[in-house]
Amino acid sequence: GAGVSQSPSNKVTEKGKDVELRCDPISGHTALYWYRQSLGQGLEFLIYFQGNSAPDKSGLPSDRFSAERTGGSVSTLTIQRTQQEDSAVYLCASSLDGGGNTIYFGEGSWLTVV
Amino acid sequence: GQNIDQPTEMTATEGAIVQINCTYQTSGFNGLFWYQQHAGEAPTFLSYNVLDGLEEKGRFSSFLSRSKGYSYLLLKELQMKDSASYLCAVREGDDYKLSFGAGTTVTVRA
Repeated sequence: GAGVSQSPSNKVTEKGKDVELRCDPISGHTALYWYRQSLGQGLEFLIYFQGNSAPDKSGLPSDRFSAERTGGSVSTLTIQRTQQEDSAVYLCASSLDGGGNTIYFGEGSWLTVV
Repeated sequence: GQNIDQPTEMTATEGAIVQINCTYQTSGFNGLFWYQQHAGEAPTFLSYNVLDGLEEKGRFSSFLSRSKGYSYLLLKELQMKDSASYLCAVREGDDYKLSFGAGTTVTVRA
């Protein structure tokens, strides 16, 4: 597509429920990133994909967080047993090959855990 | 990892100039990016510096000094639409990911 597309744009969920966030990167971009931005905070790196593999999962905050990418395109970030501290904007980004090219962000998925 | 510091907030008048400073500490610098983020929107790319000096792009300029671990973003002829958060981000070594500062919120007043 023309830009990075994320869904849902807004999600309110009850504490303890699982959520799935979807990212559709720019067509042809092999590198895909997930970042998290809490209110008033900077962007926190979560995970990076090159193609379908994730060489760096170091930013995932706990084992409740997981992500996958299929077909070298769409990625899903899953948060299990959500906690209130998971409330944040989850931003997906993509770049041509991850080798130094500019990263382009989607609009984000705003997650609120109540 | 990197320590990236930038001021939290800045206020300026429409038509004026504002300079947003960013300092960083990294063991293998490999590029610095500036992004603009309006409230509720995605960050958008503004500039990229990897060599020392000034990069000019219209009303926006970005400067880098690698020896000082320092960059600034200069916004000239400020417009109301420039009110936004400005994020400084650094790439380290061959790392593919960017590490971001907390952002500087710029408010432009009439």
